[in-house]
Amino acid sequence: AAGVIQSPRHLIKEKRETATLKCYPIPRHDTVYWYQQGPGQDPQFLISFYEKMQSDKGSIPDRFSAQQFSDYHSELNMSSLELGDSALYFCASSPQGNYGYTFGSGTRLTVV
Amino acid sequence: GQQLNQSPQSMFIQEGEDVSMNCTSSSIFNTWLWYKQDPGEGPVLLIALYKAGELTSNGRLTAQFGITRKDSFLNISASIPSDVGIYFCAGGLTNAGKSTFGDGTTLTVKP
Repeated sequence: AAGVIQSPRHLIKEKRETATLKCYPIPRHDTVYWYQQGPGQDPQFLISFYEKMQSDKGSIPDRFSAQQFSDYHSELNMSSLELGDSALYFCASSPQGNYGYTFGSGTRLTVV
Repeated sequence: GQQLNQSPQSMFIQEGEDVSMNCTSSSIFNTWLWYKQDPGEGPVLLIALYKAGELTSNGRLTAQFGITRKDSFLNISASIPSDVGIYFCAGGLTNAGKSTFGDGTTLTVKP
């Protein structure tokens, strides 16, 4: 079965650079969620989209933005990167109203 | 904001033993979910609970949605080495898409 695809798997950026993370949800899943997981931490909710509109917002820094496109894929844009942004970034998708998300394998971002 | 407390933080058990872990919250949730995460991978959904009092099994796993809607537990019977990983509970609210995750229980199974 198709899963949630995230790219890239690994990304190394320097401080103050910009990064773009991509997420391709499971076909027919109309809701996408982004989570950030620091080392040894639980996943922290950043933002979600339903039918290309932002549906909920968590602890997402102003330096980050995201959107969901007409084909339902989503991108997380991160600017002015800081060392503390180093983390695993997960995308998850679900049909609307279903809390049992399917997570992607994540993008490991390292800021040096 | 809402916080979920998982206990224990870590467990070291022998293969074949049963495991029990739980999750408590100061606020109510309408949905409780249990995930397992392997190193470097995304969490994988194990069990989803949608009604207070609901008891659901998935193979050797059993989870219950507490009557107060502020807690849930997960039991694993006859543990095997591949049960090793971090187990997260997560709570969800109606009309709020996000789930709030607990801080995880790390399980180590000794052969």
